Amino acid sequence: GENVEQHPSTLSVQEGDSAVIKCTYSDSASNYFPWYKQELGKRPQLIIDIRSNVGEKKDQRIAVTLNKTAKHFSLHITETQPEDSAVYFCAATLGSGAGSYQLTFGKGTKLSVIP
Amino acid sequence: NAGVTQTPKFQVLKTGQSMTLQCAQDMNHEYMSWYRQDPGMGLRLIHYSVGAGITDQGEVPNGYNVSRSTTEDFPLRLLSAAPSQTSVYFCASSSLSGTSGETEQFFGPGTRLTVL
Repeated sequence: GENVEQHPSTLSVQEGDSAVIKCTYSDSASNYFPWYKQELGKRPQLIIDIRSNVGEKKDQRIAVTLNKTAKHFSLHITETQPEDSAVYFCAATLGSGAGSYQLTFGKGTKLSVIP
Repeated sequence: NAGVTQTPKFQVLKTGQSMTLQCAQDMNHEYMSWYRQDPGMGLRLIHYSVGAGITDQGEVPNGYNVSRSTTEDFPLRLLSAAPSQTSVYFCASSSLSGTSGETEQFFGPGTRLTVL
């Protein structure tokens, strides 16, 4: 099955700096890669996603890049703010067939933005 | 719309007890799933369903049963609770209208379960 590795597990940045979180996946058939943000005690919420036919996607201060050849994708947050502090999870679909809606998650990155 | 709802929010069980975690969604989503979240382990898929009457196992199904008699409801049953099942449980749902899973999964608020 799919395996998703996420790094780093913790990340501290100064307010205003950029943060980068990286994930690798194992199944070359995976074609959808969402990122979720989870604040303390809350549910995960989708912040951005990317499909396998796109190399980069941007939404204001958040961007995601995908390298299908290397099987890795990254989340970039620019001009970080204290409210960006949370745990971020990357995920990938299992691939084709009945499993195409199953998400495999990375283990998460705890981002702390220091004012 | 209420979205995805879960009950209860908190539950304490003794080893060997059984219980059902409830999940409901009002978005007419075909796909529903259960995850457990443990510290440092991310979210792991327990069971999922692509429609009423259809369920399948995820990564960590042992000790759990599910059923899907309606589109709206997807309960998770713990047959004989064990301390290893202490976790936070999230239910999620999504539409199947996208291509190959390209639709957002909406999560419920979670149930924090402690097994003594």
